[in-house]
Amino acid sequence: GAGVSQSPSNKVTEKGKDVELRCDPISGHTALYWYRQSLGQGLEFLIYFQGNSAPDKSGLPSDRFSAERTGGSVSTLTIQRTQQEDSAVYLCASSHGLAADTQYFGPGTRLTVL
Amino acid sequence: EDKVVQSPLSLVVHEGDTVTLNCSYEVTNFRSLLWYKQEKKAPTFLFMLTSSGIEKKSGRLSSILDKKELSSILNITATQTGDSAIYLCAVEVYGNKLVFGAGTILRVKS
Repeated sequence: GAGVSQSPSNKVTEKGKDVELRCDPISGHTALYWYRQSLGQGLEFLIYFQGNSAPDKSGLPSDRFSAERTGGSVSTLTIQRTQQEDSAVYLCASSHGLAADTQYFGPGTRLTVL
Repeated sequence: EDKVVQSPLSLVVHEGDTVTLNCSYEVTNFRSLLWYKQEKKAPTFLFMLTSSGIEKKSGRLSSILDKKELSSILNITATQTGDSAIYLCAVEVYGNKLVFGAGTILRVKS
């Protein structure tokens, strides 16, 4: 596609439910990143994929968070047993190879946990 | 722990003013410093700085890195209302991990 797309754009869920967020990177981009932006905060790195593998999972805030990428393209970020502090905008970015200045960001998913 | 701090947190100016946004960092393995503009949800890339003292320019925006002082500034001259946004500073550390500051909220009044 023309850019990074994410779905859903907004998600409201109840505390304790699981949610799945989806990211479609730019076609041909091998690297994919997930970030979280809480209200009034900068972007917080969560995880990145090079191809289908995730060499760095250090940013995942707890074991309730997991991410996968299949076929070197689409990625899903799953949050199990959501908590209110998980409420944030989740941003995905992709790049052609590991180059920081060519990360293109998607529009994000706004998650609200009631 | 890697840390990026931006100042001021927010700024209100009038059209035509010049603004300077600051970014300082403490990281263990510096590779580059990047500036982004965030208007709605998706940040857009502005500059990448790797060498100290070399100014990067794009129209009315410019940025420079001072590795000795572990800092960078982003200048915007002759500000316009369209410059209103959150400006994010990020430092690339090992691999391709970006550590972001909290951002500076700029509002340009007409």
